[in-house]
Amino acid sequence: EAQVTQNPRYLITVTGKKLTVTCSQNMNHEYMSWYRQDPGLGLRQIYYSMNVEVTDKGDVPEGYKVSRKEKRNFPLILESPSPNQTSLYFCASSLSGEGNQPQHFGDGTRLSIL
Amino acid sequence: GENVEQHPSTLSVQEGDSAVIKCTYSDSASNYFPWYKQELGKGPQLIIDIRSNVGEKKDQRIAVTLNKTAKHFSLHITETQPEDSAVYFCAASMRRYSGAGSYQLTFGKGTKLSVIP
Repeated sequence: EAQVTQNPRYLITVTGKKLTVTCSQNMNHEYMSWYRQDPGLGLRQIYYSMNVEVTDKGDVPEGYKVSRKEKRNFPLILESPSPNQTSLYFCASSLSGEGNQPQHFGDGTRLSIL
Repeated sequence: GENVEQHPSTLSVQEGDSAVIKCTYSDSASNYFPWYKQELGKGPQLIIDIRSNVGEKKDQRIAVTLNKTAKHFSLHITETQPEDSAVYFCAASMRRYSGAGSYQLTFGKGTKLSVIP
């Protein structure tokens, strides 16, 4: 089954404790992206990757890091999480990064930073 | 900056009635317009999309219309059912910045649709 898998689905942690949210897709997609979803603000892009070893900032990249060492994986790293990063996070992938392809989303990771 | 405006933010309809959600976009170069449905506890799922060389597309009870001149597009759901209750997002492919050669999907802020049995 074609899917985007995120782990963990839920995480409660404390300020400053490094964490990683993993994302994996099995569709051989070139493009992957991370979004955060906050009430009243919709989906905002954090980082994206056009292909292996190619990543770039989205609209709200501060406080986040990403890497793309393999085509299928695109982890999101919070080196020193802060309460303002409490949010619902989605990973997505698409065939290419030209903006004219459907994006497939994971089921989300709810992060709470205390 | 480039953005997508979506209205209304909430919509309640009686079961069997139609629902219409409207979006406007700012980048005249946009050429791809998908619609997503997000159910509670799930990620957004693509329900229909349209490209700029087409004015209307239909899939069973769902249709999307596009007016490139006015830069707006709409989602129409007919014969609504309780399982249509969800948050719906429109999106448009927009240039990352003015004059850029690459595009990104920019999302509206969502419409919470409630279908009352």
